[in-house]
Amino acid sequence: ETGVTQTPRHLVMGMTNKKSLKCEQHLGHNAMYWYKQSAKKPLELMFVYNFKEQTENNSVPSRFSPECPNSSHLFLHLHTLQPEDSALYLCASSQELAGVSSRADTQYFGPGTRLTVL
Amino acid sequence: GENVEQHPSTLSVQEGDSAVIKCTYSDSASNYFPWYKQELGKRPQLIIDIRSNVGEKKDQRIAVTLNKTAKHFSLHITETQPEDSAVYFCASTGYSSASKIIFGSGTRLSIRP
Repeated sequence: ETGVTQTPRHLVMGMTNKKSLKCEQHLGHNAMYWYKQSAKKPLELMFVYNFKEQTENNSVPSRFSPECPNSSHLFLHLHTLQPEDSALYLCASSQELAGVSSRADTQYFGPGTRLTVL
Repeated sequence: GENVEQHPSTLSVQEGDSAVIKCTYSDSASNYFPWYKQELGKRPQLIIDIRSNVGEKKDQRIAVTLNKTAKHFSLHITETQPEDSAVYFCASTGYSSASKIIFGSGTRLSIRP
């Protein structure tokens, strides 16, 4: 599947590093999402963007900083992370926000970035 | 706050038997309920969804039922096959918080040969 891509696929970083995750969707969708998936909380919504505007910040610590320069690209900037931030970070997109439209809110997920914080 | 509870957390069924996974939501304004399947090492993929104006939806061996009064919805898989082994997530969202999608904790389904 190439509709939603994420890079890198794996990332190991120290607690003092700064890194960025990238998500790109080639589906012409208007909404994009960041999720954190870990063993303790399987699928946790972090941020939502609709037409480049952030519509949801699910009480995410400021060491995670999202950026959405256009409807096709979404970044997650990481700074001074903690070991408990190690998880799979999934990006998703949908034509419209989920629950708003009757036909265009299916979310398509990227393959994820497996992040390990040492 | 709003939440979605999913049960059971693990489920093992004999190949050919049926599997049922149940979810309960708290936000009465929720109107959209998707189910995702995540195979080991792969991304979640939508398998079926239901909206609040419908009570039941079927797609071949998969069906979803919704009880708005009781605020719960269920996934039914009939004639299970080995390829049905995966983690299944339910979710809910609605007009009161269209961008806030809440997922259940997942059910690990194993199909015994």
